[in-house]
Amino acid sequence: NAGVMQNPRHLVRRRGQEARLRCSPMKGHSHVYWYRQLPEEGLKFMVYLQKENIIDESGMPKERFSAEFPKEGPSILRIQQVVRGDSAAYFCASSMGAGTGSYEQYFGPGTRLTVT
Amino acid sequence: GENVEQHPSTLSVQEGDSAVIKCTYSDSASNYFPWYKQELGKRPQLIIDIRSNVGEKKDQRIAVTLNKTAKHFSLHITETQPEDSAVYFCAANKRDDYKLSFGAGTTVTVRA
Repeated sequence: NAGVMQNPRHLVRRRGQEARLRCSPMKGHSHVYWYRQLPEEGLKFMVYLQKENIIDESGMPKERFSAEFPKEGPSILRIQQVVRGDSAAYFCASSMGAGTGSYEQYFGPGTRLTVT
Repeated sequence: GENVEQHPSTLSVQEGDSAVIKCTYSDSASNYFPWYKQELGKRPQLIIDIRSNVGEKKDQRIAVTLNKTAKHFSLHITETQPEDSAVYFCAANKRDDYKLSFGAGTTVTVRA
């Protein structure tokens, strides 16, 4: 039973380029969350999605950032026109979303974005 | 929104001793409190969690206690081992609001 998968694991982008981060939830999980972790800091919530729906994007910057979770395929976090301040580890988590254990979120290995 | 504070930020213990990490939360509607362990460069791993209808939960050498009145919860690690060295994060969320609010983390170092 594969866990949460993220790719790429490391991503280097120059200022002004676009970054696309992918996340495949655990089998049987229909809820996906994206968190950002700056060096030596805690995790900050960005966005919560279900299939084809954004449920809560209150933690995501209004400009340059977008997220989707299509009917088929992985969830994607997209950062346009990256700046140095976007350098961080981006973690995806998934949960069942209903019934017993629905609160439990399991994290992927993260994508470490470096903006040069 | 929910605000979670975590103390201490660093903790050094002798192997075999106990480690205690404390967190407080601000929103009385919060009802789910997980703890994650993160080793350097790795993913956060869920190690134990507690729901608001329970005051204490134990799993081998780790235990979590919850005081809803005071709005704080704690992680206890007994008989610490070198492999317990990591950053530990507490978190909280509330019913129907699935996003987790995390504490800033505690770096635990177990000295051999």
